[in-house]
Amino acid sequence: AQSVSQHNHHVILSEAASLELGCNYSYGGTVNLFWYVQYPGQHLQLLLKYFSGDPLVKGIKGFEAEFIKSKFSFNLRKPSVQWSDTAEYFCAVTAVNTGGFKTIFGAGTRLFVKA
Amino acid sequence: NAGVTQTPKFQVLKTGQSMTLQCAQDMNHNSMYWYRQDPGMGLRLIYYSASEGTTDKGEVPNGYNVSRLNKREFSLRLESAAPSQTSVYFCASFSRERGSTEAFFGQGTRLTVV
Repeated sequence: AQSVSQHNHHVILSEAASLELGCNYSYGGTVNLFWYVQYPGQHLQLLLKYFSGDPLVKGIKGFEAEFIKSKFSFNLRKPSVQWSDTAEYFCAVTAVNTGGFKTIFGAGTRLFVKA
Repeated sequence: NAGVTQTPKFQVLKTGQSMTLQCAQDMNHNSMYWYRQDPGMGLRLIYYSASEGTTDKGEVPNGYNVSRLNKREFSLRLESAAPSQTSVYFCASFSRERGSTEAFFGQGTRLTVV
């Protein structure tokens, strides 16, 4: 069965600091990988996704993530965070198989950026 | 283009009451999902429907039933609500293009069971 593990539950940074949020998954087959963001009081929105090709993917608002297949990881990065990045971030994995597309989410990382 | 619409947005139930959460999407997606979101546990998959006419259990299906009424609609039913089902429920529909999937979420239903 697939699973997703996010390393940090809470992260506090000052503005302009660099961000890296860890995500590891367990599934031996083909996967699609995602990072979603949930701003306070809102629903989840897609930040970026990987499904094939260049393992370094760029998303909205200056976020990027790197898929390292050998490590089963898909870490999210941003060189310089802003106060408006305060939100909860979820890593998700879709196991691509012939029976259907089942997407599992990690527990989330709550990021607070101090102004 | 409304995307994914969930109703109701808020609901308070007494233990033992039943209710149905409604979800509809207008993006012609085949796959639809129900998740619950609890603090520190992220989103956990309750049930999903890979296509019209099929439904499958997710990680936490106990206490829930679903119906894929047609391609647009996927409802979640609590037959006898319990306090442990207090949560925020999200419906999502998934696009599938060129081997890639992407989830589109509804606004959520905040359910409290007392």
